[in-house]
Formats: sequence, C-alpha cells, structure tokens
Amino acid sequence: DAGITQSPRHKVTETGTPVTLRCHQTENHRYMYWYRQDPGHGLRLIHYSYGVKDTDKGEVSDGYSVSRSKTEDFLLTLESATSSQTSVYFCAISYTGGLNTGELFFGEGSRLTVL
Amino acid sequence: GQQVMQIPQYQHVQEGEDFTTYCNSSTTLSNIQWYKQRPGGHPVFLIQLVKSGEVKKQKRLTFQFGEAKKNSSLHITATQTTDVGTYFCAGFYPGGNQFYFGTGTSLTVIP
Repeated sequence: DAGITQSPRHKVTETGTPVTLRCHQTENHRYMYWYRQDPGHGLRLIHYSYGVKDTDKGEVSDGYSVSRSKTEDFLLTLESATSSQTSVYFCAISYTGGLNTGELFFGEGSRLTVL
Repeated sequence: GQQVMQIPQYQHVQEGEDFTTYCNSSTTLSNIQWYKQRPGGHPVFLIQLVKSGEVKKQKRLTFQFGEAKKNSSLHITATQTTDVGTYFCAGFYPGGNQFYFGTGTSLTVIP
C-alpha cells in the first residue's frame, strides 16, 4: 500500500461543469502525477508536480489545471468538462530520485463520465 | 511527439502456453519500465531496465532491453490464470520529463 487515496472514485457530471479530482498521499513524496487512461491510448501524463507549488505539463495538459499547495495533496481541475474528458484518471507518486528513476505507484483511479 | 509502440494489443493463450509482448521506439530510450494492470485495477510496477542488452528475470517473467535501447520485451513462460491482465511498457527518453506508456497488451489465459 503506497498510501495514495483518490477522491471521488466515481463521478458523473455534465458538459461545462467544473470538476476537481483529489489525490492524497500519506508518505511525503516529492513527485506526484496525474494520468488519464483511455482504450487504445494506454496511460498519458496530464500534469506532474515536483514539489509544493511546482508543477509542469505532460503530453495531454490542454483543458486541465493542477495545484499543489501541500506536499500531500495534488488536485486536478477540469474548469469546464467536455465529453472528451470522460476517462479513468490515475494519480501516481514516485518514491525515489528524479523523473526517470523511480517506479510509479498508482492510486485506485477515479472514473469520470461527462455527459 | 514521442511514442512507444506496443504489440500485440490482445493475446489469448491456453494455460501453460508462453506469452510475449514487445515495445518499440524509433529513438533511443534512457530506460524502460514494465507494469501490470489487473482487470478493474491500477497499474503495478514490475521492473525497470536501464542498460543496453539487459535481461532480468522474475520467476516465470523475463524482461529484455535491446542492444540499441530502442526495444524491449516481456516474456512469460507457462502462463497461469493469475497472469491475466494488461501489460504496459513505459519508456523514458534522454532529456525528457516523463515516461511514455505503450498502449498495452491485454492477456487472456484460457484454463
């Protein structure tokens, strides 16, 4: 158990509404990530954080913003949800080293449906 | 953008048969990781390969990293029903800032 909690686990919302997903870790790790998983695409990085208030974009960041005001929490916000953002969202942390050295530990996932 | 290709997309095997999934990149990777995701679950780290030509084994699983560090494979010997799931590779490029995941290979094991 890597001490990662995602909330909510399931959410159904309507197009145009804002949505925030929360990732909480209990082990004070520096690196945190948000991925989305879609059939035929594998896992794609949305945003990542390398410390409090330090974030950067991944390969599919358009339409998403993130914030990290505390080490333990990494929030993913969809300002105005669209149907193309229907997906399963995974938060991940890495225990060691830099971006390319640590294994990723994933949360249980948050299934978002945008109608 | 960077891309790691993974084949096959699906594989059905009889229990006891072997299974292999392959990942390929058009350019050299720094390192590659492998993950397993059970149906309805989350990806779980299996292994990381860093060196050219590296081979690592975990019981019935054998992982290889090509000499040119552009391809990798995962081979499972004598599959069991517990091997069911989707296997992903994730490659990291020199100077990059993220792992690029392959599209995964979904393994079904028929008892």
